[in-house]
Amino acid sequence: GDSVTQMEGPVTLSEEAFLTINCTYTATGYPSLFWYVQYPGEGLQLLLKATKADDKGSNKGFEATYRKETTSFHLEKGSVQVSDSAVYFCALRSGGSNYKLTFGKGTLLTVNP
Amino acid sequence: DVKVTQSSRYLVKRTGEKVFLECVQDMDHENMFWYRQDPGLGLRLIYFSYDVKMKEKGDIPEGYSVSREKKERFSLILESASTNQTSMYLCASSRSGSTGELFFGEGSRLTVL
Repeated sequence: GDSVTQMEGPVTLSEEAFLTINCTYTATGYPSLFWYVQYPGEGLQLLLKATKADDKGSNKGFEATYRKETTSFHLEKGSVQVSDSAVYFCALRSGGSNYKLTFGKGTLLTVNP
Repeated sequence: DVKVTQSSRYLVKRTGEKVFLECVQDMDHENMFWYRQDPGLGLRLIYFSYDVKMKEKGDIPEGYSVSREKKERFSLILESASTNQTSMYLCASSRSGSTGELFFGEGSRLTVL
């Protein structure tokens, strides 16, 4: 079945540090890939997405590239801010599903001033 | 602004009580979902619905049921609450034929004593 594995947290960085959160997946067909973010006390919101191999999703300084050969979708940001502190979830929708997203377990990021 | 609204942010119930969690979306989306979120386990799909009166089991449907009588409303029902159902419950919706992006509510934190 479909699965998403993301690096375990928590991750603690200083402001302006470089961020990478690893995400790899197993899926049937050609999945669409997503990163969601959950700020404290809130629901999840879409951060970025990619729907085919070699696509790069980007938003708010975050980027992730859909790598089919390594089945990966790693999240990166060049310079994190305190306001980026949140839980980040990698997710996929497999080619065989019209509806269902499968999520990773989430990675807690804390950015200190 | 698109919106998914969950009726209760915090609930405290006793073991054996019947619990209703309500979710309403204003985006005319066909698909609606209930996930539960637990530390270290990420998001797990309980049930989803792809049309009025239609429902399918997710990964962990035991102990839950759902109702979708109107397109905009999707209810999660715990027939007899148990302590292991203490969790954060997240409702989401999506449009059929889209890339699969989910729109989430803010969550309902349920404590069963």
